[in-house]
Amino acid sequence: AQTVTQSQPEMSVQEAETVTLSCTYDTSESDYYLFWYKQPPSRQMILVIRQEAYKQQNATENRFSVNFQKAAKSFSLKISDSQLGDAAMYFCAYRTPRAGGTSYGKLTFGQGTILTVHP
Amino acid sequence: DAMVIQNPRYQVTQFGKPVTLSCSQTLNHNVMYWYQQKSSQAPKLLFHYYDKDFNNEADTPDNFQSRRPNTSFCFLDIRSPGLGDAAMYLCATSKGPQPQHFGDGTRLSIL
Repeated sequence: AQTVTQSQPEMSVQEAETVTLSCTYDTSESDYYLFWYKQPPSRQMILVIRQEAYKQQNATENRFSVNFQKAAKSFSLKISDSQLGDAAMYFCAYRTPRAGGTSYGKLTFGQGTILTVHP
Repeated sequence: DAMVIQNPRYQVTQFGKPVTLSCSQTLNHNVMYWYQQKSSQAPKLLFHYYDKDFNNEADTPDNFQSRRPNTSFCFLDIRSPGLGDAAMYLCATSKGPQPQHFGDGTRLSIL
């Protein structure tokens, strides 16, 4: 079974600075997807960024980028120019891409990292 | 905008009194999921529908049931809620390789 580990229960950053959230995972599969989701307090879980394991290039979405190290099974999220609106719980998640069957599309979440942004 | 809608946002029920949470989607996704999320924890998958096929997680209590009458709607039924069932319940949908889209959640309180 796949496992996802976020070793930082809490992180903080000053507004406009850069912060990196860590995530490691364990899998025996070679093809899969990785995601970072953001969940502000009492609000919707929103996709921040995704990475396909077969792609060597790291995904970027505006101020958000990942450092995907497949051999090390590491998938960290870097937030540049942090904003107050970035404050949230961040979840790293793993998903198998297998088509069909009961396991298709199921997410395995990490424990989450609470990010605080200081003005 | 296409979206996942959960009703109600907040639900209060009495200990042991059956309760139903609803989820609808306009995304035309074929897979729908129900998660339970307790405070400051990761969402825990209860079950999911792949089209009409129901898939229960091994550790989901029998107290939790689900119905999907059509592609757009999915319901979570808790037959006899206990205090430990107080949580946020999240509905999500997906199709093919697309990421899961989540609703706003329903926060369930048990009196």
